[in-house]
Amino acid sequence: DAGVIQSPRHEVTEMGQEVTLRCKPISGHDYLFWYRQTMMRGLELLIYFNNNVPIDDSGMPEDRFSAKMPNASFSTLKIQPSEPRDSAVYFCASSLAGGRTNGYTFGSGTRLTVV
Amino acid sequence: DAKTTQPNSMESNEEEPVHLPCNHSTISGTDYIHWYRQLPSQGPEYVIHGLTSNVNNRMASLAIAEDRKSSTLILHRATLRDAAVYYCIPNTGNQFYFGTGTSLTVIP
Repeated sequence: DAGVIQSPRHEVTEMGQEVTLRCKPISGHDYLFWYRQTMMRGLELLIYFNNNVPIDDSGMPEDRFSAKMPNASFSTLKIQPSEPRDSAVYFCASSLAGGRTNGYTFGSGTRLTVV
Repeated sequence: DAKTTQPNSMESNEEEPVHLPCNHSTISGTDYIHWYRQLPSQGPEYVIHGLTSNVNNRMASLAIAEDRKSSTLILHRATLRDAAVYYCIPNTGNQFYFGTGTSLTVIP
């Protein structure tokens, strides 16, 4: 099992550019989560999906952020336009049947720097 | 979700046991208690979880107080690779909210 795969590992972009982060969950997992981590705010849950359907996006900071899950094996988190305060490490995680009785598996993260 | 209180940091000598405490006095009866850890420059990693009874796995043990208002993660023999931030998360739903955790330093 390759685990949760995120790409790219690092992204440096200029303010105002569109950024797309990608995630491939573990095969068979039906929940997918996007988190953001900064020194100031720690790990924040942005949005999560169940069976490819967004369930709770209340953590998405602004309309500049959007997430999709077109199929069970792929999800994207898009920031358009990007701003320096979006600089953070973005993690994707997946789980079988939710996190309550099963653990999450996290990817290695994408470190985003907006200059 | 229940609020948690964990020490900001702890130290342990290598090969000695480590007891990481967590207070979750507002936990509900159906909240599982999850522990995750995050090694430097990596994503969080599942450690262990339980509901009422103490739990053991290859990584650690979880001791849950009888009133469930606190729990303790036990690393039986700390190694340098156990240096990480440890998060205690009481959870009812399918989403986890991470607090600030305990940063564990292992001294050689």
